Amino acid sequence: GDSVTQMEGPVTLSEEAFLTINCTYTATGYPSLFWYVQYPGEGLQLLLKATKADDKGSNKGFEATYRKETTSFHLEKGSVQVSDSAVYFCALSDHQGNDKIIFGKGTRLHILP
Amino acid sequence: GAVVSQHPSRVICKSGTSVKIECRSLDFQATTMFWYRQFPKQSLMLMATSNEGSKATYEQGVEKDKFLINHASLTLSTLTVTSAHPEDSSFYICSASPAGVYNEQFFGPGTRLTVL
Repeated sequence: GDSVTQMEGPVTLSEEAFLTINCTYTATGYPSLFWYVQYPGEGLQLLLKATKADDKGSNKGFEATYRKETTSFHLEKGSVQVSDSAVYFCALSDHQGNDKIIFGKGTRLHILP
Repeated sequence: GAVVSQHPSRVICKSGTSVKIECRSLDFQATTMFWYRQFPKQSLMLMATSNEGSKATYEQGVEKDKFLINHASLTLSTLTVTSAHPEDSSFYICSASPAGVYNEQFFGPGTRLTVL
């Protein structure tokens, strides 16, 4: 079945460092890809998404490009801030008619001041 | 933007009692709502998918008699944890898909359930 694999955390970086969180997926069809962020004690918020190959999703300085050839959707940010500390989930939707979303296990990010 | 609320945000109950969690779409109609469970430091596990006016579809391994889901209107779905036990303690999150919008879910803030 469809699945999402993302790098395990926690990831600890200093403020202004460059961030990459790797994500790869397995899907039988042509999924849409998402990154969600969960701040402490809160629910999930959609950070960015891409619906077709070579699309780049971006928001709040974060970017991810839908790479069909490598089945990847890595999350990047050029200069992280303390406020970016959160758990990041890579996810896909397989368009099977019920909009079901399959999540990766999440990567906890700690940014040190 | 689309807002989904959950109530209560936090609940503590005694073992053996039932707890109802509400999920509301505040500014849109949701034909489909989803219920997830999140264990500490783990990902979201989809429990069930509910469509307005019909029975919920439960994921494999989720007890439908224990986790009762009702989706009575286009803006409200409820999850009732019946005869709760300490192992049911978890973070429960709902999401909603707007009617006519494809492939989009908006998540509620979650409900922290603690069963003593």
